[in-house]
Amino acid sequence: KAGVTQTPRYLIKTRGQQVTLSCSPISGHRSVSWYQQTPGQGLQFLFEYFSETQRNKGNFPGRFSGRQFSNSRSEMNVSTLELGDSALYLCASSLAGTINTGELFFGEGSRLTVL
Amino acid sequence: AQSVTQLGSHVSVSEGALVLLRCNYSSSVPPYLFWYVQYPNQGLQLLLKYTSAATLVKGINGFEAEFKKSETSFHLTKPSAHMSDAAEYFCAVSLYNQGGKLIFGQGTELSVKP
Repeated sequence: KAGVTQTPRYLIKTRGQQVTLSCSPISGHRSVSWYQQTPGQGLQFLFEYFSETQRNKGNFPGRFSGRQFSNSRSEMNVSTLELGDSALYLCASSLAGTINTGELFFGEGSRLTVL
Repeated sequence: AQSVTQLGSHVSVSEGALVLLRCNYSSSVPPYLFWYVQYPNQGLQLLLKYTSAATLVKGINGFEAEFKKSETSFHLTKPSAHMSDAAEYFCAVSLYNQGGKLIFGQGTELSVKP
């Protein structure tokens, strides 16, 4: 069974640009969550999508957005990039329905560097 | 609101020694608690989870953790460290109705000396 796949794995952007990251969850998983990981702030929750609807949202500015497609694949977008957006962006999928099972399966991440 | 505190950002043990990684949580309602491990350049992998069943939880690779409500703790232990255990470990808390939203601690980097 294939795991969570994130693309691209590495990317470099400059300030002011925008970026789109993609996540394909494990087959059958309907929930996709996104996390930002940085050395200073650690792992921070961005948002979660379930059945194409945003179910939870973290405390990030509106420059960070996401969506989920009918096949459960998800994308996140960051507009007007800032140096501080440099991070490892992790996607996780789960079987969670309305009740949390808590077990998230993580991808290897997309490492974004903003110059 | 929930929060997690991991005591010690770096822990070093000798191979064969006891591993103890500390985690304390704050939650207004009974939480779900998790330990994840992250190896270099990889995503996170679930070690074990507590979801209000047995308070002593056994996970993969010989790790276990005990939920102590009176101490609001969920410390991770392994009787005998192996070189392959060197990684970063994260404690996390969630609520039953918060789906994929986990609140993570800052992480503890475990080093294992030969």
